[in-house]
Amino acid sequence: AQSVTQLDSQVPVFEEAPVELRCNYSSSVSVYLFWYVQYPNQGLQLLLKYLSGSTLVKGINGFEAEFNKSQTSFHLRKPSVHISDTAEYFCAVRGFGGTSYGKLTFGQGTILTVHP
Amino acid sequence: DVKVTQSSRYLVKRTGEKVFLECVQDMDHENMFWYRQDPGLGLRLIYFSYDVKMKEKGDIPEGYSVSREKKERFSLILESASTNQTSMYLCASSLYLGNTGELFFGEGSRLTVL
Repeated sequence: AQSVTQLDSQVPVFEEAPVELRCNYSSSVSVYLFWYVQYPNQGLQLLLKYLSGSTLVKGINGFEAEFNKSQTSFHLRKPSVHISDTAEYFCAVRGFGGTSYGKLTFGQGTILTVHP
Repeated sequence: DVKVTQSSRYLVKRTGEKVFLECVQDMDHENMFWYRQDPGLGLRLIYFSYDVKMKEKGDIPEGYSVSREKKERFSLILESASTNQTSMYLCASSLYLGNTGELFFGEGSRLTVL
């Protein structure tokens, strides 16, 4: 079984400030990790993913995330946010093989609001 | 460009009605999914399909059924809608059923059951 916990339901920040959205996961097997973003009135789109290799992963729109296996975390960061980054962000995990198929387990979501 | 289209963005139905949510993808993807999105709960998988006429239950299949008669189309059916099925429904597709496959999502169908 696997689970994902996003530690903050809402994160308000000012424009050009740095931001970190926190994600912790639990799994009995090794995992692949993902961050998806949902802009208002739209579906989700992939922001970045960790499959293997370097633990620092870069995604679209200047976002990056770091996989920390010992702390079972995959926090999302951006050094300077824009108004257009206002959206809901979802962390997701998929375990290797077994019955997971293409099934992703999603976190509860974090609403990032960027204020001018 | 990748496209997953959900036929209805907003629906209002009455308790007990039969509801069809339609999803079409134009990417020739093998796999299609229906998720339900609720505030504070994230996305929960209802059903998925890895081939025409094939389906698998997700985490919350109760009260729902699905149909996949053609590769590009995946329908979610609420046989008798109830108020606790008021939610946002998201359809997704992916090329690979394996663990690395990216999901492509539609814009969602917001269903209100009165």
